[in-house]
Formats: sequence, C-alpha cells, structure tokens
Amino acid sequence: GEDVEQSLFLSVREGDSSVINCTYTDSSSTYLYWYKQEPGAGLQLLTYIFSNMDMKQDQRLTVLLNKKDKHLSLRIADTQTGDSAIYFCAEKEGTYKYIFGTGTRLKVLA
Amino acid sequence: DSGVTQTPKHLITATGQRVTLRCSPRSGDLSVYWYQQSLDQGLQFLIHYYNGEERAKGNILERFSAQQFPDLHSELNLSSLELGDSALYFCASSGTADYEQYFGPGTRLTVT
Repeated sequence: GEDVEQSLFLSVREGDSSVINCTYTDSSSTYLYWYKQEPGAGLQLLTYIFSNMDMKQDQRLTVLLNKKDKHLSLRIADTQTGDSAIYFCAEKEGTYKYIFGTGTRLKVLA
Repeated sequence: DSGVTQTPKHLITATGQRVTLRCSPRSGDLSVYWYQQSLDQGLQFLIHYYNGEERAKGNILERFSAQQFPDLHSELNLSSLELGDSALYFCASSGTADYEQYFGPGTRLTVT
C-alpha cells in the first residue's frame, strides 16, 4: 500500500547537523521530495532527487537516497533557529500522484 | 512567495453548509492539485486537474468536487459540511517541469 513514514519529532542544538529520515513504499517512484512548512504557511519545496541518483547537495542541504531500502534522508548542516519547522518527505507515483509523509517537527535549540 | 494564491485565507461555517475555495496557479502552470491537511490524517491528495481536465483523484469525498476554468484557476466545492471537514486546504501548481510542485498558503476551514 501507499505509505511514507517519518519520525514525528527531532530536536537539535543550533550549529549541529540535523538528519531527518523517511521511508517510502513505491519502488517505482520517479522523484522524491523534501518540503518545509513553517507555522501558518504552505509547504515550501526545499529540494528533490530523481530516483536514479544517490545523493544531491544544495548549499546546507544534502539528500541521500537508498533505493534498495527505500530510504530517503535530509541532512541540514549548521542548523539554525530559522530551520525550525515541519519537514515533509513525499514521493511521486506515476504521472500525477504525490504521497506525503506525516511530517517531522524539527526544533532547533539555541 | 510561491506565486500560487488561495482565497479566502480563513473560512468559518456551520455544519450542513457549502463553501467554495479558490486557487490561482503560478503564471503559466497548467496543473492544479488540491490537498487536505488535518491533524489526524496528515496531508492527503484530493484531486488533480491539468488544463481544465481532471487527471487524477485521491481520497476525495463524494460531497467534494472541483473544477478548473479556462483561465486555469480552480475551485474546490465542499458541501454538506461536517465537523470532520475542518482542515487546511492547499492547492499546488506545476508547469512544464511537472516534477516540481508549488504550494499556495492554504485556506483554513473551520466547521462549527
């Protein structure tokens, strides 16, 4: 069935790295995404990775994809208080359907 | 600012009523997606339109319907509202790079 799973909470200290993990179910997913949602706001597309890639780096963000284990992770280097938000991973199934995880609430402690 | 606009921002209505939520996609985007975000269900895909045509349906109730107009804006109609329909409703749009989806700020619906 369709299921994208994430842990619910993560707490890190400012300046440390954060790693948010996600497992997905559809091995045929073409794209996998990370979105950020701040309080009272919509989802902001942070980054995405095509399924034939293992890693993608974009400034402080590093995405790792393990297709064998259907595991996706987002690493945020030098985490700042402004990074506190809910992070959603999502997979694209087929042409039009997106499945979102439950979201991980990241709290950055000063 | 993603370029996707949604109105109204907040809506409070009573059970049994009908409401219409509106979404304008980013300029040039032909695809519009609707999602419902509630505390217990997370973010659920409802429906997708491409250039006026329905292309995919997710967990959308029969009491809900949507359409996309020639100017590409979309409306989500929710009828016979129940308390459980209280949620944030987001629309998202995508263009030729159809693997990138951009979300609007959402409409918060409260059914009392």
